[in-house]
Amino acid sequence: AAGVIQSPRHLIKEKRETATLKCYPIPRHDTVYWYQQGPGQDPQFLISFYEKMQSDKGSIPDRFSAQQFSDYHSELNMSSLELGDSALYFCASSLALEREDSYNEQFFGPGTRLTVL
Amino acid sequence: AQSVTQLGSHVSVSEGALVLLRCNYSSSVPPYLFWYVQYPNQGLQLLLKYTSAATLVKGINGFEAEFKKSETSFHLTKPSAHMSDAAEYFCAVSLTGGGNKLTFGTGTQLKVEL
Repeated sequence: AAGVIQSPRHLIKEKRETATLKCYPIPRHDTVYWYQQGPGQDPQFLISFYEKMQSDKGSIPDRFSAQQFSDYHSELNMSSLELGDSALYFCASSLALEREDSYNEQFFGPGTRLTVL
Repeated sequence: AQSVTQLGSHVSVSEGALVLLRCNYSSSVPPYLFWYVQYPNQGLQLLLKYTSAATLVKGINGFEAEFKKSETSFHLTKPSAHMSDAAEYFCAVSLTGGGNKLTFGTGTQLKVEL
């Protein structure tokens, strides 16, 4: 079965550069989530999108922006990179919630490992 | 607000011994609870989930967890550890009505010794 695809898998950037991470959800999944996992830390929710609209926002720095496109893929844009941005960035996808009190399983991609030098 | 607490950042067991990884949650509304496993340099794989059906949940690779509302716990167990179980385990919670996002615990590194 098709899984969540993230590209690139590895990325090395210098401080103050920009980076763009891409996420391709499972076919027919219309909701995308981004998480950041620092070295030795737990994943932290950054932002999510449903039908191209931002649906929720977590601890995402102002230097980061994200969007979802009409084919449901999403891109996380990171500017003015800092050493502390070095992390594993996960994308997950799910079907949209049918009810506000329901839950749909999130399927995670393999992650993009960003190293800022 | 929702949160999860994992007791013990490192757990070591002998091969064949019982695995017990602890997770406690706090939530003002009924939670959805999950256990994920992460092998080195890999993504997150869902082991099992509790979504308000049966309180004893069976997952993959012989793992199971029991939701205990009175103790606000969702501990992960496996009767007999295997070397291949060595990995990082994350407990996570999703808040009912909270947009489906996951809040993770700080993780427990499981080591399995011969």
